[in-house]
This record gives sequence, C-alpha cells and structure tokens, in this order.
Amino acid sequence: AQSVTQLGSHVSVSEGALVLLRCNYSSSVPPYLFWYVQYPNQGLQLLLKYTSAATLVKGINGFEAEFKKSETSFHLTKPSAHMSDAAEYFCAVSRSSFQKLVFGTGTRLLVSP
Amino acid sequence: DTAVSQTPKYLVTQMGNDKSIKCEQNLGHDTMYWYKQDSKKFLKIMFSYNNKELIINETVPNRFSPKSPDKAHLNLHINSLELGDSAVYFCASSLHTDRGGGNEQFFGPGTRLTVL
Repeated sequence: AQSVTQLGSHVSVSEGALVLLRCNYSSSVPPYLFWYVQYPNQGLQLLLKYTSAATLVKGINGFEAEFKKSETSFHLTKPSAHMSDAAEYFCAVSRSSFQKLVFGTGTRLLVSP
Repeated sequence: DTAVSQTPKYLVTQMGNDKSIKCEQNLGHDTMYWYKQDSKKFLKIMFSYNNKELIINETVPNRFSPKSPDKAHLNLHINSLELGDSAVYFCASSLHTDRGGGNEQFFGPGTRLTVL
C-alpha cells in the first residue's frame, strides 16, 4: 500500500526565510506525487505535481519540489517565505488509474514578521 | 464561474437525523470524489465515481450513501448521523485519462458538518 509521511506537524519560519516542508513516500511502484495547500476555511489547491516528466517540479506561488527516488522523498521548498504562505500543506501520493489520493497528515506553516 | 461547488457550506444537526450534501462541477470532468477531513486535518477518501459508476468505496459505514445522477453531480446522503460524523467533507473532481494517476483533482470549498 502506498503512503506518505510528512515530518513535522508545524514549521515556523520568518518572513523572507527559506521554507522546507518534508514529505517521504512509500510505494511499490513509481508514484505520482502532489503538494496541496489549504488556506483557513477553504478547500485544497494544487501547488505542484510530479508525474515522472522531470524530477524538479516548479509550482505556483514560487514553490518547487524535487523528486528523489533514492531517498523516496518529495520535499517542498520556497526560497523566501511570505506572510501569505501561512497555511496547511499536504503531500499526497497516487498510483491507481482512477487517482485515489492518499494524503499525509499535513504540515502547518507559520510565518512570522 | 465556480469550478467545484458544494452546498451547504455549514450544516449543524442533531444526532439521529438524516442529511445530504450536494456537489457540482462545471469543469467537464468525468470523475468525482468525496473526502472526509477530521478535526486533526487528516484527509481520507470515502468514495469515487467515474461516469456515474462507483469505482472507489473505502471502509465507510453504510449509513453513508453517495449518488451520482450525472457526471457533473455527486451527492452524499448520511443516515442516522452520529457525533463522530462531525467533520469537513470535501468534494473533488478530475479528468481520467489512460495515462492514469497524474491528473489534478480540483476540490470544492468543503461542507462543515457538526452533529450535536
């Protein structure tokens, strides 16, 4: 069975600092990997996805993630945090052709001035 | 121009009642989903329909019954509501292709269900 593990339920950074949110996956076959963001009282919005086309994936709002098969990781980064980045971030994995998404437990990003 | 919409946004009800949540998408997608997000923000799939056919049915109490009248709509009916059903329920949709697995799921704004 596939799964994802997000290390750290909360990550705090200062505005302008590097953002690093960790995600490790477990899958018996090459997976499709996603990062979603959830702002308070809203639905989920796709930040970026890995579908084997390129290992470094660029997403919206300046986020990017690198797929590392040797480390089974898909960490999310952003060079410089903005106050508006404060939200809950979810890593998810999919393998079935009908895209059953299995989500991690989420990481809340806190950005301080 | 809302892509995936859900009604109602908030639902407060008593234990034992029956309630429904509706979902509609105008993206031309052929696959729709229901997810449940609990109080700890954990998200888990409940059901998925492709072209009105049930394709994913996770371990969900049979008090929950999804219905898809057409490709653009997926409703969720819950019988005999229990305290543990309190959660945020998200609808999502996507377009299935033979490539499989890599297509984006678009989520609705969620329905916050509170059972008293």
